[in-house]
Amino acid sequence: QKEVEQDPGPLSVPEGAIVSLNCTYSNSAFQYFMWYRQYSRKGPELLMYTYSSGNKEDGRFTAQVDKSSKYISLFIRDSQPSDSATYLCAMRVTGGGNKLTFGTGTQLKVEL
Amino acid sequence: GAVVSQHPSWVICKSGTSVKIECRSLDFQATTMFWYRQFPKQSLMLMATSNEGSKATYEQGVEKDKFLINHASLTLSTLTVTSAHPEDSSFYICSANTGGSSYEQYFGPGTRLTVT
Repeated sequence: QKEVEQDPGPLSVPEGAIVSLNCTYSNSAFQYFMWYRQYSRKGPELLMYTYSSGNKEDGRFTAQVDKSSKYISLFIRDSQPSDSATYLCAMRVTGGGNKLTFGTGTQLKVEL
Repeated sequence: GAVVSQHPSWVICKSGTSVKIECRSLDFQATTMFWYRQFPKQSLMLMATSNEGSKATYEQGVEKDKFLINHASLTLSTLTVTSAHPEDSSFYICSANTGGSSYEQYFGPGTRLTVT
């Protein structure tokens, strides 16, 4: 079993839809949770960061962490074609040399 | 701010040769740099962590003699793939961290290596 599980998709939605992306994990020591966006053949770009459980909102993006269920989500409101990318969840433990464990990424396509 | 560059962006080499990839933090000092590889439609797999002035820490299963990492300064780390084979063809991405309590890793744009 992988430490972090993420549905690879692809996920196709119409422009303006609300997108829900999710990851589950098995390591209860994970405390820091991040979402990265990666365009094709580019490096990942940090979108959201959350420490421990709770919600965090930034513009059209909302990140949720439920540590009791070992489940994290990223919601994108009013999705745009420019949101089409691969979204990777990542997480790490406290300390640990800042080492990140990534999910496989979900490929999202927002269609006009 | 927080820009990381990689060079080259794409390289083709012949089997058996060595190739060096550079990772630079352009506007900050990177105490720690990370090297990842990514196969098509797969996640980033951490290869090694390097701290300036010390030996890199390799992840389990990564051959340290094949993937030589040097972090000679606070703004430059290099990854040398020695005696490259076609199965080494991949997308190599570096990231940099300012260290301490900073959680964020700033990623470079990646280097696509093709070994023929």
